Amino acid sequence: AQTVTQSQPEMSVQEAETVTLSCTYDTSENNYYLFWYKQPPSRQMILVIRQEAYKQQNATENRFSVNFQKAAKSFSLKISDSQLGDTAMYFCAFVNNDMRFGAGTRLTVKP
Amino acid sequence: EAGVTQSPTHLIKTRGQQATLRCSPISGHTSVYWYQQALGLGLQFLLWYDEGEERNRGNFPPRFSGRQFPNYSSELNVNALELEDSALYLCASSRRGGGGRTEAFFGQGTRLTVV
Repeated sequence: AQTVTQSQPEMSVQEAETVTLSCTYDTSENNYYLFWYKQPPSRQMILVIRQEAYKQQNATENRFSVNFQKAAKSFSLKISDSQLGDTAMYFCAFVNNDMRFGAGTRLTVKP
Repeated sequence: EAGVTQSPTHLIKTRGQQATLRCSPISGHTSVYWYQQALGLGLQFLLWYDEGEERNRGNFPPRFSGRQFPNYSSELNVNALELEDSALYLCASSRRGGGGRTEAFFGQGTRLTVV
């Protein structure tokens, strides 16, 4: 089974600064999808960004971008101009049929 | 359009009892995923249903089971409850086949407490 590793249990960043969350995964598959979800204190899981493994171009969604390194099996999330509302748990997910998550990174944005 | 709905929101059971959790996917979605999230921890994959069939299950004992109905709603059953089953149970749905081609949407979860 595929495994997803998030090695940073907690991180903090000052408002308006940039932070990068790490994610690595292990798979023998060639075609798959990668996602970042956020879970604020409300517990609602919200999709942040997705990346198709067959696309070399890194995905970008406004202040959120990824650095996808397929050979290294790495999928990091960069949050630019951090806002207080970005405070949440962030989960990296690997999808090839079913969906597997990492343990999460708790991000705190400080004013 | 209604999102993924889960019921009940909270559930308190006694050790040894059975719990039934329900999930209604977004209209048009045929895939349903179940996850267990213990307090402060990540999401552990439980089950994946698609088109009425169980497609895959995670590393959980057989007392965790479920089913998907013809209308694609789903039920998770936990038999012989143990204290460590206390967790938030999340359901997610996506369009046919899942596979990441489309986004999975999550419900608000059912908080199960075993006393």
